[in-house]
Amino acid sequence: RKEVEQDPGPFNVPEGATVAFNCTYSNSASQSFFWYRQDCRKEPKLLMSVYSSGNEDGRFTAQLNRASQYISLLIRDSKLSDSATYLCVVNIPGGSYIPTFGRGTSLIVHP
Amino acid sequence: GAGVSQSPRYKVAKRGQDVALRCDPISGHVSLFWYQQALGQGPEFLTYFQNEAQLDKSGLPSDRFFAERPEGSVSTLKIQRTQQEDSAVYLCASRLGQHSNQPQHFGDGTRLSIL
Repeated sequence: RKEVEQDPGPFNVPEGATVAFNCTYSNSASQSFFWYRQDCRKEPKLLMSVYSSGNEDGRFTAQLNRASQYISLLIRDSKLSDSATYLCVVNIPGGSYIPTFGRGTSLIVHP
Repeated sequence: GAGVSQSPRYKVAKRGQDVALRCDPISGHVSLFWYQQALGQGPEFLTYFQNEAQLDKSGLPSDRFFAERPEGSVSTLKIQRTQQEDSAVYLCASRLGQHSNQPQHFGDGTRLSIL
């Protein structure tokens, strides 16, 4: 079982739709969570950090559920330009906390 | 401002050759990470430096992989006797401090193809 799991999708939604992704993690001592966006053949770029109380940045909302060990990303009013792969990052304890990626969820927004 | 710079952008090598990949992190960033990303997968952790100290190398797939950051700035990932399964994108990321609550910043990656 992988330490960080994501549904690879693709999620295929029309413009204007609301879409949500989850990311589960196995180590309950994990901390510091992030969502990154990766466009085809490009590097991952920070979308937002995930705070315990939940946080919002425009059309994007991130939440952390420690009890069930998952984080979520909600995108409202989807735009064509939101089409990308969304990667979650979980810092997993070891000797150091290591930022560990899920495999990513592919989102395709169509007209 | 200058971001994380990786070179070369593309590298083609024959099986059995040695390759060296360079990462120039954001100036002043303490933490540096190397990841390997296969097609359709997320980045897989290889190794982590805090300044010049290699604190974690648990993700290096074999003893053919070696990384260094001798002066706590530029880092080099070396792969000896390359194999076809080493073909992937190698991503470098830097982070301002040692704390995990700070985000990483990624370079464009080096796309390595082993023939």
